[in-house]
Amino acid sequence: DGGITQSPKYLFRKEGQNVTLSCEQNLNHDAMYWYRQDPGQGLRLIYYSQIVNDFQKGDIAEGYSVSREKKESFPLTVTSAQKNPTAFYLCASSFKSTGISYNEQFFGPGTRLTVL
Amino acid sequence: AQTVTQSQPEMSVQEAETVTLSCTYDTSENNYYLFWYKQPPSRQMILVIRQEAYKQQNATENRFSVNFQKAAKSFSLKISDSQLGDTAMYFCAFMRNNAGNMLTFGGGTRLMVKP
Repeated sequence: DGGITQSPKYLFRKEGQNVTLSCEQNLNHDAMYWYRQDPGQGLRLIYYSQIVNDFQKGDIAEGYSVSREKKESFPLTVTSAQKNPTAFYLCASSFKSTGISYNEQFFGPGTRLTVL
Repeated sequence: AQTVTQSQPEMSVQEAETVTLSCTYDTSENNYYLFWYKQPPSRQMILVIRQEAYKQQNATENRFSVNFQKAAKSFSLKISDSQLGDTAMYFCAFMRNNAGNMLTFGGGTRLMVKP
């Protein structure tokens, strides 16, 4: 089945440790995105990538890093510099925007990160 | 920068009745897209309906319809014949045209459908 997978579903880490969240898609999408969701709030964009080996900061990139070495994969690292990392993290992907119309973003099931 | 505001943190509706969720946005753009997403307890984000700003006709998808008022920058979602499975968080989202598919989300409305 085609889709977006995020692993693990729940992740626990000690304060001060870096942690990497996985996001893989087999939809042949060009673009991938990472969002953060806090309780009772909407999604906020952390990073996005329109093409392999290129990515841009979103609205809340501080304390996070990403890589895009393969089209299918867009891992997110939550570093110790992120002051409040406990949140729900959603990955999404889409075909690259042509500028004429939009392309729907498809979302993964998310990873709940808890920092103890 | 665009902002999206959902002024109703929580709402409830009786099964089979109709409910309207509100959304306002702020932008200086003329060409854009608006969306409603549903996030059920599973937390999977599901696209419910979208509206292109250049279209005057309101979008409809089965029991879901929107009231798009471009001048007022308002984009409400009406759910008719509410079902228990409609219980979820609902997010309004904005996307500029020619902006790389970037979405800006509102804070969400928690909808509870009561039997």
